[in-house]
Amino acid sequence: GAVVSQHPSWVICKSGTSVKIECRSLDFQATTMFWYRQFPKQSLMLMATSNEGSKATYEQGVEKDKFLINHASLTLSTLTVTSAHPEDSSFYICSATMQGKSYGYTFGSGTRLTVV
Amino acid sequence: SQQGEEDPQALSIQEGENATMNCSYKTSINNLQWYRQNSGRGLVHLILIRSNEREKHSGRLRVTLDTSKKSSSLLITASRAADTASYFCAYILTGGGNKLTFGTGTQLKVEL
Repeated sequence: GAVVSQHPSWVICKSGTSVKIECRSLDFQATTMFWYRQFPKQSLMLMATSNEGSKATYEQGVEKDKFLINHASLTLSTLTVTSAHPEDSSFYICSATMQGKSYGYTFGSGTRLTVV
Repeated sequence: SQQGEEDPQALSIQEGENATMNCSYKTSINNLQWYRQNSGRGLVHLILIRSNEREKHSGRLRVTLDTSKKSSSLLITASRAADTASYFCAYILTGGGNKLTFGTGTQLKVEL
């Protein structure tokens, strides 16, 4: 079955530093990847949609300069949290889908970011 | 917000009992999916029901969809302790491309 690898699973960083999270589709070509943010005991909120080779589309209220998304290949998307602050601490999850499939979503295992 | 509402927010049952959770959404959808999330982990796809289907089964799972009421339910029969997790409905709005919108989730705890 389709597998998405997300790395790292957890990271602690100091305020002001940047953190990069990777999302890889291991056995399929992900034409579209999605990045979500989840606070404790809450649902997933879509941050942005990235299509391979094009700029990401951000949801309303998400700062594109703070959350940099790159989808340079059909198997890799990265989310960089720039100048992280404690309020950026959250659980970030990616998912990937193939072109034309409106139901085949595979999720990464998530990254727990803690900014101290 | 187009986020779906789920109820109950939390559910605690004994092993062997059935668990029912409900999802309501606000506008037209193409299909509705249910996902499971173990604490601190990613999501696992459970089942998908299309807008022209009313009921679907998969193992111990039964999903219903009522498009006139804009609601869906997930029934887990003969629950096990291993079913303890959060459950989310998710759907794509008609005309929403391929973006999934998630419900608020139900935290299920199955006790021995």
